[in-house]
Amino acid sequence: SQQGEEDPQALSIQEGENATMNCSYKTSINNLQWYRQNSGRGLVHLILIRSNEREKHSGRLRVTLDTSKKSSSLLITASRAADTASYFCATDARRDDKIIFGKGTRLHILP
Amino acid sequence: GAVVSQHPSRVICKSGTSVKIECRSLDFQATTMFWYRQFPKQSLMLMATSNEGSKATYEQGVEKDKFLINHASLTLSTLTVTSAHPEDSSFYICSAREDRRSTQYFGPGTRLTVL
Repeated sequence: SQQGEEDPQALSIQEGENATMNCSYKTSINNLQWYRQNSGRGLVHLILIRSNEREKHSGRLRVTLDTSKKSSSLLITASRAADTASYFCATDARRDDKIIFGKGTRLHILP
Repeated sequence: GAVVSQHPSRVICKSGTSVKIECRSLDFQATTMFWYRQFPKQSLMLMATSNEGSKATYEQGVEKDKFLINHASLTLSTLTVTSAHPEDSSFYICSAREDRRSTQYFGPGTRLTVL
């Protein structure tokens, strides 16, 4: 079963611009995580935000969480070519602790 | 951080054969391991949850007789794709956690190609 829905499904921006990706989910969660995946490779964990947190920063990443709307956003500032990848949100459902992934956003940074 | 490994990283097999994929937690004891499948340009879909010493719990739509999961020790879980067919070609990723409150760590994935 899939919990999250990301939008947009694909995003192309110029290098240096900010990229914003959104994620919505359906059930109550313990926390929400964002992962990056380069083509054909494994997952890279980016950031975890707990259900009682509203915003978190890590370097050029900023994540927000709105549990009332069951949504989260990932902002990448000053994008670089190396940020080209797929980005997935993953929720840790409160009822069973399974991590379920959203459909992902394919981000392409144009030089 | 904790490390989860998978072996092999890539495997190519003929249709009708069985393939075993190993998932190991290298520096912690994983009471629970998860298996995901990812088709090209799609997201990761949870296939099953395995707890050490007990039968795996499969997600809806996943055939337990086709995808055999064994979690015989606290550091090793195996996924066997039986009688593989080309439609089973996919990227298989495992993850592991020490207990229910622990972080879940992901393996690097295994790319299976069935000819």
